[in-house]
Amino acid sequence: DTGVSQDPRHKITKRGQNVTFRCDPISEHNRLYWYRQTLGQGPEFLTYFQNEAQLEKSRLLSDRFSAERPKGSFSTLEIQRTEQGDSAMYLCASSRDPAGAFYNEQFFGPGTRLTVL
Amino acid sequence: AQKITQTQPGMFVQEKEAVTLDCTYDTSDPSYGLFWYKQPSSGEMIFLIYQGSYDQQNATEGRYSLNFQKARKSANLVISASQLGDSAMYFCAMREGNQAGTALIFGKGTTLSVSS
Repeated sequence: DTGVSQDPRHKITKRGQNVTFRCDPISEHNRLYWYRQTLGQGPEFLTYFQNEAQLEKSRLLSDRFSAERPKGSFSTLEIQRTEQGDSAMYLCASSRDPAGAFYNEQFFGPGTRLTVL
Repeated sequence: AQKITQTQPGMFVQEKEAVTLDCTYDTSDPSYGLFWYKQPSSGEMIFLIYQGSYDQQNATEGRYSLNFQKARKSANLVISASQLGDSAMYFCAMREGNQAGTALIFGKGTTLSVSS
């Protein structure tokens, strides 16, 4: 168990550019979540996958944001035409899906810190 | 309305002392779960403890315990015998409903500083 990994850890980009982040969940986890955390705030939910299906999207996920999880393994989060307000830490989390269980701990990755200049 | 409220922006404690971090929540769903996470300066969120709405006893995990007062809708984290390594940001979070896949709703966090 190597934990949730995210790449890159840091990304600096100019306004208007596109960026893509990758998340590799813990191997046996079928649920994957993306959160965004701005300075001084708690993480805010963006979207959630069960296997390859994107089951829920937050209103925070504007049409410039898109997330995929092909084959139910790693996931990518792309931001098109970045804006300065997109500057934040983007956190990925994964969890198992034990049948009948309500409690399932989400394991978080180290995050990707995005700075839009 | 805020779903999770953490009213203490910062807390200071000396090593070996106990500290309580406050968390109140707001939900009308009878099924919910409450979580505490620790976020060191490195940025990774570390799970500490969980309390389910139907759990009769307060959760405990080592030096961490959760003081769950359902009627008051509070879920305070108690850290006993603080250590320097406990210095970090602490987040209270809630999952509403009885679906395991539901996303977590986080509070704004409390910064804990432990001094020697």
